[in-house]
Amino acid sequence: GESVEQHPSTLSVQEGDSAVIKCTYSDSASNYFPWYKQELGKRPQLIIDIRSNVGEKKDQRIAVTLNKTAKHFSLHITETQPEDSAVYFCAASKNYGGSQGNLIFGKGTKLSVKP
Amino acid sequence: DAGVIQSPRHEVTEMGQEVTLRCKPISGHNSLFWYRQTMMRGLELLIYFNNNVPIDDSGMPEDRFSAKMPNASFSTLKIQPSEPRDSAVYFCASSPLGPSNQPQHFGDGTRLSIL
Repeated sequence: GESVEQHPSTLSVQEGDSAVIKCTYSDSASNYFPWYKQELGKRPQLIIDIRSNVGEKKDQRIAVTLNKTAKHFSLHITETQPEDSAVYFCAASKNYGGSQGNLIFGKGTKLSVKP
Repeated sequence: DAGVIQSPRHEVTEMGQEVTLRCKPISGHNSLFWYRQTMMRGLELLIYFNNNVPIDDSGMPEDRFSAKMPNASFSTLKIQPSEPRDSAVYFCASSPLGPSNQPQHFGDGTRLSIL
């Protein structure tokens, strides 16, 4: 079935450094790729998303890149801050019957930013 | 915007009891998703609805689980009888419905403990 692999499972960086999280999806029909941030005990919150007709998208310190040929997409966080510490989930989705499909989530990456 | 509203926030009950989780999606959102989150299995989709119609319930683990969406502003997830392995955080999410996939917005979740 459809799957999304996410790496690494844990990531520790110094404040100010960059962090990169990578995901690979199995279904070539996937066309929507959101990223969620989940702080401890809280709900997942959408931080950025990208569609298959775009190769890169940026929002301040966060950027996402998509390589459709390789079925890879990545999250890049620059100038990391302690408040970036959280679990990050990637996901992939495709249309179903011409309408909304469900999200397949990666297993998550626990990011720790050390002051 | 009140966001997705779930109740209860916490539920502790004994094995064998019936459990009902409730969700009110964001007004105007016609897609609703039920997820379960555990350390071992991550975020799993249980079932989702488009326009109150169940589209994919392949993630529902057993016949003990059932979900309904009687109208556009309310959904329930029921477990009967409950078992200790059902202990998890259950999230509801909603999104607008369109020809292309739309961002999903999560509720605060219900933390369920079955003793």
